[in-house]
Amino acid sequence: DAMVIQNPRYQVTQFGKPVTLSCSQTLNHNVMYWYQQKSSQAPKLLFHYYDKDFNNEADTPDNFQSRRPNTSFCFLDIRSPGLGDAAMYLCATSRDTGANQPQHFGDGTRLSIL
Amino acid sequence: EDQVTQSPEALRLQEGESSSLNCSYTVSGLRGLFWYRQDPGKGPEFLFTLYSAGEEKEKERLKATLTKKESFLHITAPKPEDSATYLCAVQAGGTALIFGKGTTLSVSS
Repeated sequence: DAMVIQNPRYQVTQFGKPVTLSCSQTLNHNVMYWYQQKSSQAPKLLFHYYDKDFNNEADTPDNFQSRRPNTSFCFLDIRSPGLGDAAMYLCATSRDTGANQPQHFGDGTRLSIL
Repeated sequence: EDQVTQSPEALRLQEGESSSLNCSYTVSGLRGLFWYRQDPGKGPEFLFTLYSAGEEKEKERLKATLTKKESFLHITAPKPEDSATYLCAVQAGGTALIFGKGTTLSVSS
């Protein structure tokens, strides 16, 4: 089945140690998104790629970066994780950015900071 | 500021006991309102998109409706497998989906 796959499902890192989360898709969608969801809170968009064009949300901390080397893969890099960055990170894709193109989510990576 | 508020935060139902979840929103220029289902430890699963007031969508025991200020997700004769967190999100001027915090539904047999 076509889907959005996130690896790893669980990631533990140390305070200040860089970490990379991975997302791949077989939907061949143009847009890939990264959301942060803290416990019992709403998912919040960090940034998205439309094809190779990177779009950062205004309030996304500089500590968060992203790479999209090709259509299928997108990475979230956290340069110096702090305790407040512990969260579920959700990757989503859509064919386009219009409201008639729903976003399809992966199962997330739960990040813990020691 | 665009905002989405869902109520109640948690809802417990007996199997077969119908009810409704509420999503109220304040946005300038609604492009679409989305309902997602999220199971524990999983990503949100798309259910419906609604575009304009008066629109309704149905899927099995779920029916979503939209007015100019809020949306309802009606659950008819729920079963235990309907237990999940239901998320409402809106898309306004930008690309971002603005989510509510969700309603956690528990259905017991």
